[in-house]
Amino acid sequence: DAKTTQPNSMESNEEEPVHLPCNHSTISGTDYIHWYRQLPSQGPEYVIHGLTSNVNNRMASLAIAEDRKSSTLILHRATLRDAAVYYCILRDVDAGNMLTFGGGTRLMVKP
Amino acid sequence: DGGITQSPKYLFRKEGQNVTLSCEQNLNHDAMYWYRQDPGQGLRLIYYSQIVNDFQKGDIAEGYSVSREKKESFPLTVTSAQKNPTAFYLCATSGTFYSPLHFGNGTRLTVT
Repeated sequence: DAKTTQPNSMESNEEEPVHLPCNHSTISGTDYIHWYRQLPSQGPEYVIHGLTSNVNNRMASLAIAEDRKSSTLILHRATLRDAAVYYCILRDVDAGNMLTFGGGTRLMVKP
Repeated sequence: DGGITQSPKYLFRKEGQNVTLSCEQNLNHDAMYWYRQDPGQGLRLIYYSQIVNDFQKGDIAEGYSVSREKKESFPLTVTSAQKNPTAFYLCATSGTFYSPLHFGNGTRLTVT
């Protein structure tokens, strides 16, 4: 299974942009890149996903490198409510399509 | 109000007892999943079901059992064979097997 590597933790100031990196050097052509986030004592929440092109939605943007070996989740203006653990996950639709969650990045937002 | 209901939020059991965790959804989603999360760790897949009356083992199915008799329900039984059952258990659904996952708010199981 293709794996992802994320920093254990990151800090940001409130109302500043945040760039959360993810490396996935063994990604296959059929792997979608998914991002979820989890607040304490809650279930994860879907943020965004993409295959090759950059994606935008109301929560965030996803920038995917041209070789797809890395991606970056962009929160345009961090708020205190964005403090969470962010998971970058590869989802292979051709191989059982199961989601495997790694350790994620704990984002701390300072007021 | 559509969503996923996991109950109870906290569950306490004595060692050696089987315990069943409830997961109900009214999203009309086909696929359902059970994950386990230990403190400070990511999620690990226990079982998943793509359709009623069918389910598959995930990465850590030993000591667990499931059933999928109705589309709305996917209960997880933690058996006495599970060596370390204390954990946070999360149920999820997806509209199809390829759609993003929606998670419930979890059940925290403590076995002593």
